[in-house]
Amino acid sequence: KAGVTQTPRYLIKTRGQQVTLSCSPISGHRSVSWYQQTPGQGLQFLFEYFSETQRNKGNFPGRFSGRQFSNSRSEMNVSTLELGDSALYLCASSLTVESTGRETQYFGPGTRLLVL
Amino acid sequence: DAKTTQPPSMDCAEGRAANLPCNHSTISGNEYVYWYRQIHSQGPQYIIHGLKNNETNEMASLIITEDRKSSTLILPHATLRDTAVYYCIVRALYNQGGKLIFGQGTELSVKP
Repeated sequence: KAGVTQTPRYLIKTRGQQVTLSCSPISGHRSVSWYQQTPGQGLQFLFEYFSETQRNKGNFPGRFSGRQFSNSRSEMNVSTLELGDSALYLCASSLTVESTGRETQYFGPGTRLLVL
Repeated sequence: DAKTTQPPSMDCAEGRAANLPCNHSTISGNEYVYWYRQIHSQGPQYIIHGLKNNETNEMASLIITEDRKSSTLILPHATLRDTAVYYCIVRALYNQGGKLIFGQGTELSVKP
Protein backbone atom coordinates (compact mmCIF):
# COMPACT_ATOMS: atom_id res chain seq x y z
CA LYS A 1 0.00 0.00 0.00
CA ALA A 2 1.17 3.50 -0.76
CA GLY A 3 1.90 5.64 2.27
CA VAL A 4 0.60 9.07 3.13
CA THR A 5 1.50 11.58 0.45
CA GLN A 6 1.76 15.33 0.82
CA THR A 7 2.05 18.00 -1.82
CA PRO A 8 3.91 20.15 -2.40
CA ARG A 9 7.02 19.04 -0.52
CA TYR A 10 8.55 22.51 -0.42
CA LEU A 11 6.98 25.92 -0.67
CA ILE A 12 8.17 29.51 -0.40
CA LYS A 13 5.67 32.29 0.24
CA THR A 14 5.80 35.89 1.38
CA ARG A 15 4.10 37.49 4.34
CA GLY A 16 0.42 38.18 3.83
CA GLN A 17 -0.08 35.50 1.21
CA GLN A 18 -2.14 32.39 1.74
CA VAL A 19 -1.19 28.78 1.13
CA THR A 20 -3.00 25.47 0.64
CA LEU A 21 -1.37 22.16 1.44
CA SER A 22 -2.69 18.79 0.37
CA CYS A 23 -2.64 15.37 1.98
CA SER A 24 -3.70 12.01 0.55
CA PRO A 25 -4.14 9.38 3.28
CA ILE A 26 -3.35 5.70 3.05
CA SER A 27 -6.06 3.92 1.07
CA GLY A 28 -8.95 3.01 3.36
CA HIS A 29 -7.96 5.41 6.11
CA ARG A 30 -10.73 7.80 7.11
CA SER A 31 -9.06 10.03 9.67
CA VAL A 32 -6.55 12.72 8.74
CA SER A 33 -4.67 14.84 11.27
CA TRP A 34 -2.41 17.82 10.71
CA TYR A 35 0.60 18.90 12.75
CA GLN A 36 3.01 21.81 12.67
CA GLN A 37 6.66 21.32 13.59
CA THR A 38 8.99 24.21 14.39
CA PRO A 39 12.37 24.22 16.14
CA GLY A 40 10.97 26.29 18.99
CA GLN A 41 7.61 24.65 19.63
CA GLY A 42 8.24 21.11 18.43
CA LEU A 43 5.40 19.04 17.00
CA GLN A 44 2.00 20.56 17.66
CA PHE A 45 -1.44 19.25 16.76
CA LEU A 46 -3.47 21.47 14.43
CA PHE A 47 -6.71 19.59 13.74
CA GLU A 48 -8.19 16.26 12.78
CA TYR A 49 -10.85 15.34 10.26
CA PHE A 50 -12.93 12.20 10.14
CA SER A 51 -15.62 11.56 7.54
CA GLU A 52 -15.40 15.16 6.31
CA THR A 53 -16.00 16.59 9.80
CA GLN A 54 -13.51 18.29 12.06
CA ARG A 55 -13.32 16.04 15.12
CA ASN A 56 -10.60 17.71 17.12
CA LYS A 57 -8.80 21.04 17.05
CA GLY A 58 -5.56 22.32 18.52
CA ASN A 59 -4.75 25.75 19.86
CA PHE A 60 -4.04 27.65 16.67
CA PRO A 61 -5.54 30.92 15.36
CA GLY A 62 -8.39 30.95 12.90
CA ARG A 63 -5.94 31.67 10.06
CA PHE A 64 -5.34 27.93 10.06
CA SER A 65 -8.19 25.94 8.58
CA GLY A 66 -8.75 22.63 6.91
CA ARG A 67 -11.23 20.41 5.21
CA GLN A 68 -11.66 16.84 4.16
CA PHE A 69 -13.24 15.51 1.01
CA SER A 70 -15.45 12.48 0.50
CA ASN A 71 -12.46 10.44 -0.68
CA SER A 72 -10.71 11.26 2.66
CA ARG A 73 -8.14 13.52 1.04
CA SER A 74 -7.54 16.63 3.10
CA GLU A 75 -6.31 20.15 2.61
CA MET A 76 -5.17 22.73 5.09
CA ASN A 77 -5.07 26.44 4.42
CA VAL A 78 -3.14 29.18 6.12
CA SER A 79 -4.24 32.73 5.35
CA THR A 80 -2.35 35.97 5.89
CA LEU A 81 0.97 34.21 6.35
CA GLU A 82 3.36 35.37 9.05
CA LEU A 83 7.08 34.73 9.37
CA GLY A 84 6.36 32.45 12.32
CA ASP A 85 4.32 30.13 10.11
CA SER A 86 7.53 28.83 8.59
CA ALA A 87 7.51 25.19 9.59
CA LEU A 88 7.26 21.58 8.54
CA TYR A 89 3.57 20.70 8.16
CA LEU A 90 2.84 17.05 8.68
CA CYS A 91 -0.22 15.04 7.83
CA ALA A 92 -1.08 11.72 9.43
CA SER A 93 -3.79 9.22 8.60
CA SER A 94 -5.35 6.45 10.61
CA LEU A 95 -7.78 3.65 9.99
CA THR A 96 -9.94 4.11 13.05
CA VAL A 97 -10.83 0.49 13.61
CA GLU A 98 -13.72 1.33 15.86
CA SER A 99 -14.35 -2.20 16.99
CA THR A 100 -10.98 -2.51 18.67
CA GLY A 101 -10.17 1.12 19.34
CA ARG A 102 -6.78 0.83 17.68
CA GLU A 103 -5.94 4.05 15.90
CA THR A 104 -2.31 4.08 14.92
CA GLN A 105 -1.39 7.19 12.96
CA TYR A 106 0.94 7.03 10.00
CA PHE A 107 2.70 10.21 8.93
CA GLY A 108 3.54 11.61 5.55
CA PRO A 109 6.90 13.21 4.66
CA GLY A 110 5.63 16.72 5.32
CA THR A 111 5.53 20.02 3.46
CA ARG A 112 8.26 22.46 4.36
CA LEU A 113 6.92 26.01 4.20
CA LEU A 114 9.19 29.02 4.26
CA VAL A 115 7.61 32.44 4.71
CA LEU A 116 9.76 35.41 3.68
CA ASP B 1 1.23 19.51 27.69
CA ALA B 2 2.91 16.20 27.11
CA LYS B 3 2.30 13.63 29.83
CA THR B 4 5.69 12.00 29.37
CA THR B 5 9.26 12.72 30.44
CA GLN B 6 12.24 11.48 28.43
CA PRO B 7 15.99 12.15 28.62
CA PRO B 8 16.93 14.71 25.97
CA SER B 9 19.72 12.63 24.46
CA MET B 10 21.39 9.23 24.55
CA ASP B 11 24.26 7.50 22.81
CA CYS B 12 24.46 3.87 21.78
CA ALA B 13 27.17 1.80 20.13
CA GLU B 14 26.27 0.20 16.81
CA GLY B 15 25.18 -3.41 17.28
CA ARG B 16 24.32 -2.97 20.93
CA ALA B 17 20.84 -2.72 22.39
CA ALA B 18 19.42 0.78 22.79
CA ASN B 19 17.18 1.16 25.84
CA LEU B 20 15.13 4.36 25.79
CA PRO B 21 13.25 5.18 29.01
CA CYS B 22 10.02 7.11 29.40
CA ASN B 23 8.21 8.24 32.53
CA HIS B 24 4.43 8.65 32.44
CA SER B 25 3.47 8.72 36.10
CA THR B 26 0.02 10.29 35.51
CA ILE B 27 -1.10 7.78 32.89
CA SER B 28 -4.78 6.82 33.09
CA GLY B 29 -6.18 3.34 32.87
CA ASN B 30 -7.46 3.81 29.33
CA GLU B 31 -4.30 5.37 27.93
CA TYR B 32 -1.88 3.55 25.69
CA VAL B 33 1.84 4.17 25.39
CA TYR B 34 2.94 4.90 21.84
CA TRP B 35 6.43 5.27 20.46
CA TYR B 36 7.35 7.13 17.29
CA ARG B 37 10.68 8.17 15.89
CA GLN B 38 11.64 10.95 13.53
CA ILE B 39 14.71 10.80 11.39
CA HIS B 40 15.96 14.25 10.49
CA SER B 41 13.42 16.27 8.47
CA GLN B 42 11.21 13.26 7.76
CA GLY B 43 7.72 12.51 9.07
CA PRO B 44 7.48 10.60 12.36
CA GLN B 45 7.49 6.83 11.97
CA TYR B 46 5.29 4.61 14.11
CA ILE B 47 7.28 2.03 16.07
CA ILE B 48 5.10 0.26 18.62
CA HIS B 49 2.39 0.76 21.22
CA GLY B 50 1.01 -1.06 24.24
CA LEU B 51 -1.45 -0.86 27.12
CA LYS B 52 -0.04 -2.92 29.96
CA ASN B 53 1.57 -6.02 28.53
CA ASN B 54 5.01 -6.08 26.96
CA GLU B 55 4.91 -5.88 23.19
CA THR B 56 7.34 -6.87 20.46
CA ASN B 57 7.36 -6.35 16.73
CA GLU B 58 9.91 -6.44 13.96
CA MET B 59 11.29 -3.04 14.93
CA ALA B 60 11.43 -3.02 18.72
CA SER B 61 10.21 -4.24 22.08
CA LEU B 62 8.19 -2.23 24.57
CA ILE B 63 8.46 -3.00 28.25
CA ILE B 64 5.81 -1.38 30.48
CA THR B 65 6.21 -1.54 34.26
CA GLU B 66 3.50 -3.23 36.27
CA ASP B 67 2.27 0.08 37.72
CA ARG B 68 2.37 1.51 34.16
CA LYS B 69 4.16 4.64 35.35
CA SER B 70 7.13 4.09 33.08
CA SER B 71 8.20 2.16 30.01
CA THR B 72 11.31 1.31 28.01
CA LEU B 73 11.67 1.02 24.27
CA ILE B 74 14.31 -1.49 23.28
CA LEU B 75 16.02 -1.55 19.90
CA PRO B 76 17.80 -4.92 20.17
CA HIS B 77 20.65 -4.31 17.70
CA ALA B 78 20.97 -0.61 16.97
CA THR B 79 22.29 0.46 13.58
CA LEU B 80 23.42 3.86 12.31
CA ARG B 81 20.04 4.19 10.62
CA ASP B 82 18.35 4.15 14.04
CA THR B 83 19.81 7.59 14.79
CA ALA B 84 16.69 9.70 15.29
CA VAL B 85 14.52 11.53 17.82
CA TYR B 86 12.32 9.06 19.68
CA TYR B 87 8.99 10.21 21.07
CA CYS B 88 7.02 8.50 23.82
CA ILE B 89 3.34 9.47 23.83
CA VAL B 90 0.40 8.47 25.99
CA ARG B 91 -3.09 8.72 24.61
CA ALA B 92 -6.53 7.28 25.06
CA LEU B 93 -8.17 5.73 22.05
CA TYR B 94 -11.85 6.11 22.52
CA ASN B 95 -13.43 9.52 22.16
CA GLN B 96 -10.09 11.25 21.81
CA GLY B 97 -9.85 11.63 18.10
CA GLY B 98 -6.51 11.72 16.41
CA LYS B 99 -4.66 14.07 18.70
CA LEU B 100 -1.10 13.09 19.55
CA ILE B 101 0.74 15.26 22.06
CA PHE B 102 4.45 15.17 21.38
CA GLY B 103 7.05 16.09 23.98
CA GLN B 104 10.65 16.93 23.22
CA GLY B 105 11.67 13.30 22.77
CA THR B 106 15.06 11.62 23.13
CA GLU B 107 17.69 12.23 20.49
CA LEU B 108 19.41 8.86 20.04
CA SER B 109 22.83 8.86 18.41
CA VAL B 110 24.09 5.47 17.29
CA LYS B 111 27.86 5.56 16.91
CA PRO B 112 30.14 3.15 15.01
